[in-house]
Amino acid sequence: NAGVTQTPKFRILKIGQSMTLQCTQDMNHNYMYWYRQDPGMGLKLIYYSVGAGITDKGEVPNGYNVSRSTTEDFPLRLELAAPSQTSVYFCASSLSIPTVNTEAFFGQGTRLTVV
Amino acid sequence: QQQVKQSPQSLIVQKGGISIINCAYENTAFDYFPWYQQFPGKGPALLIAIRPDVSEKKEGRFTISFNKSAKQFSLHIMDSQPGDSATYFCAARGNRDDKIIFGKGTRLHILP
Repeated sequence: NAGVTQTPKFRILKIGQSMTLQCTQDMNHNYMYWYRQDPGMGLKLIYYSVGAGITDKGEVPNGYNVSRSTTEDFPLRLELAAPSQTSVYFCASSLSIPTVNTEAFFGQGTRLTVV
Repeated sequence: QQQVKQSPQSLIVQKGGISIINCAYENTAFDYFPWYQQFPGKGPALLIAIRPDVSEKKEGRFTISFNKSAKQFSLHIMDSQPGDSATYFCAARGNRDDKIIFGKGTRLHILP
């Protein structure tokens, strides 16, 4: 069972470079999320999607872009990387709105360093 | 503006003791309160969750206590074990919302 798969696991970017963090899930989940985790700050929602073709901003969307062309994939694009984007990024998915009966599953994370 | 406030930031408990982590919220529209457990280098994983119409939920050694009037909820870990050492996040979701908001996390260390 693959679940939620994120690639790459680690990446070092130079300031001003761009990259795409990949996220794919094989559970046929409609809802997908991107969070970033900074030490002592918990998880902050960047973008989310409730289905293919539908995306919406979270708490901290600036500097990022997303697309959802298929149910399985939800890539996160960083344009013009900045040191403030150094973080651990987590992708998550759920069948529908997370409830006591509908769990949200997280990937293993991508650790990104911008230098 | 943080909508879910979690405390303490870190906690050290002796093996066999009770670990207690607290969270408070302000938005009365929240209707789903999960707790996540995260081990180093891993993604968060759902531990236990509760709805606001329930005052307590127990799963094994893990219990959520929910106080709707005080807008507080807490995680109790009974008979804490070294394998419970991890970071714990409380979270919440609004009843007309698609997304989960997380607390800042508590780093728990259980002494052997």
